[in-house]
Amino acid sequence: AQKVTQAQTEISVVEKEDVTLDCVYETRDTTYYLFWYKQPPSGELVFLIRRNSFDEQNEISGRYSWNFQKSTSSFNFTITASQVVDSAVYFCALSGTFSGGYNKLIFGAGTRLAVHP
Amino acid sequence: DSGVTQTPKHLITATGQRVTLRCSPRSGDLSVYWYQQSLDQGLQFLIQYYNGEERAKGNILERFSAQQFPDLHSELNLSSLELGDSALYFCASSPRPNMNTEAFFGQGTRLTVV
Repeated sequence: AQKVTQAQTEISVVEKEDVTLDCVYETRDTTYYLFWYKQPPSGELVFLIRRNSFDEQNEISGRYSWNFQKSTSSFNFTITASQVVDSAVYFCALSGTFSGGYNKLIFGAGTRLAVHP
Repeated sequence: DSGVTQTPKHLITATGQRVTLRCSPRSGDLSVYWYQQSLDQGLQFLIQYYNGEERAKGNILERFSAQQFPDLHSELNLSSLELGDSALYFCASSPRPNMNTEAFFGQGTRLTVV
């Protein structure tokens, strides 16, 4: 079965600390996509990144970086020099062709990140 | 701004009532997805429409139904509401019938059943 596990329920850091959010996934698909979304206190879901299963290159976008490792079925997200505005719930999600031949996003339970001044 | 519009933003209603949530997808997107976010269940896929037709069903209760209209906006109808239906309901859209591309979410409708 397809599954996304975010083992860290809550993380609390002080501003300027680096923080890594873990994501482990399970799928039998050979082609799949992984996503990260941010949900700030205002509630909306903000798309951060998409990665397909054939592209294991790490990606960096400003203070954000992502480490995709197929060997360990992980897609971890690191925020460098965290800021108070990074405080949010972060969701990892998996998309693939599931039973019935259709796609959907399966979300992890989310990690609540609190960045304190 | 994701380009996906959901109305209303907040809704408070009583048990047993019926409500309709509305979603306008991004311009050009043919697929609309509905998700429910509750404290105990997390983000759960409810249903998908593609170009007016139902394409996939997830954990949607029989009391809930949806449709997508010719102008591609979608409505999610929730009836015989129960306290446990209180949740944040998200709509997402994508250009194709799958979520392998980026799916952009609306701001959600927060439903409170009292």
